Amino acid sequence: AQSVTQLGSHVSVSEGALVLLRCNYSSSVPPYLFWYVQYPNQGLQLLLKYTSAATLVKGINGFEAEFKKSETSFHLTKPSAHMSDAAEYFCAVNSGTSYGKLTFGQGTILTVHP
Amino acid sequence: NAGVTQTPKFQVLKTGQSMTLQCAQDMNHEYMSWYRQDPGMGLRLIHYSVGAGITDQGEVPNGYNVSRSTTEDFPLRLLSAAPSQTSVYFCASSTTPSSAEQYFGPGTRLTVT
Repeated sequence: AQSVTQLGSHVSVSEGALVLLRCNYSSSVPPYLFWYVQYPNQGLQLLLKYTSAATLVKGINGFEAEFKKSETSFHLTKPSAHMSDAAEYFCAVNSGTSYGKLTFGQGTILTVHP
Repeated sequence: NAGVTQTPKFQVLKTGQSMTLQCAQDMNHEYMSWYRQDPGMGLRLIHYSVGAGITDQGEVPNGYNVSRSTTEDFPLRLLSAAPSQTSVYFCASSTTPSSAEQYFGPGTRLTVT
């Protein structure tokens, strides 16, 4: 079984501040982990993914995430928020047992204040 | 290269009506799936297919049917619409490895009254 918990359904930061979106996962086997972003009225777009290579993964738009097996976490960070980062972010896990059967977290809405 | 396309973008149904949500991809992906998105619940897998002629149930399959006659198309059928099926529906496709990125369509917003 696999599951994902995103801590905080809403996160608000000021422009230029650090962005930290939290994700914890549960998986019975080494997982593949993903962060997707959804802008208003659009589909989901891949930000980055962890596939058991480097534990620190860099993605698009300056985002990165670190896989920590001991903490079962895959938190998303960005050093300096931009207004264009305002969106909903989803963490997802695939335990690798069945093709692309992703399990998503409930999502975190990021608001960026001027 | 259009990626993943979905039609219609919006739909309003009355309880008990049936309809088909269309999904097509032009990337020759073997894996296709349907998700529904509800506030505070993320995306939940409805049905998926690992190739033409092969489909299986996801987490929330009740009230939905799928078929996969070609690699490109993966329609989702609502047999008898219920208000609980009011949601935003996303189709996605990918290559078959579990580590592969899934490409999402723009979504269909369905309201059942």
